[in-house]
Amino acid sequence: GAVVSQHPSRVICKSGTSVKIECRSLDFQATTMFWYRQFPKQSLMLMATSNEGSKATYEQGVEKDKFLINHASLTLSTLTVTSAHPEDSSFYICSARDGTGNTEAFFGQGTRLTVV
Amino acid sequence: LAKTTQPISMDSYEGQEVNITCSHNNIATNDYITWYQQFPSQGPRFIIQGYKTKVTNEVASLFIPADRKSSTLSLPRVSLSDTAVYYCLVAQGGTGGFKTIFGAGTRLFVKA
Repeated sequence: GAVVSQHPSRVICKSGTSVKIECRSLDFQATTMFWYRQFPKQSLMLMATSNEGSKATYEQGVEKDKFLINHASLTLSTLTVTSAHPEDSSFYICSARDGTGNTEAFFGQGTRLTVV
Repeated sequence: LAKTTQPISMDSYEGQEVNITCSHNNIATNDYITWYQQFPSQGPRFIIQGYKTKVTNEVASLFIPADRKSSTLSLPRVSLSDTAVYYCLVAQGGTGGFKTIFGAGTRLFVKA
């Protein structure tokens, strides 16, 4: 199957700093990418939908100025957590569709963010 | 978006067949049903997808009745390594950025 790669797999940052997480589709073009956040023992919560060349669509309750999403190419989307706080510590996961009508979403391996 | 309902958890023993049923009463005509598996600190992994009747691949079978208001994931002869969370999702077919919304999932514990 198609491969989606996230980087870094884990990151520790200080409060108040910003962290960028990359999501790449390695062998297909991803017209749409999704960003999720997952707290321990909970399900994945959709944060935003990222469409190549246009602004991301954020889910209700997600601060777009805090979680900046950029989808500048068909193979790369980035999520930047700005002015991170300890409560932003979570597991962030991206997924991608290839835009051909395939309903299967391909998921990255996730990024463990710890804000200290 | 169709909401899905699954059992919160299930226990099984190695070698048994496990069936996890998901309800999706509001499924739309062009919705597909997809199941994912997730291990701790990993992204979800695709298991199987179907639209109607029965689908089988090398790891699982998916049974979908005619009214499509539910689906059952069948895992034959589970092993300890099948302990994971299993998610049932309903998503539209066709092009476009259709959202994939996760329900609570089912935590499967496989015991020796």
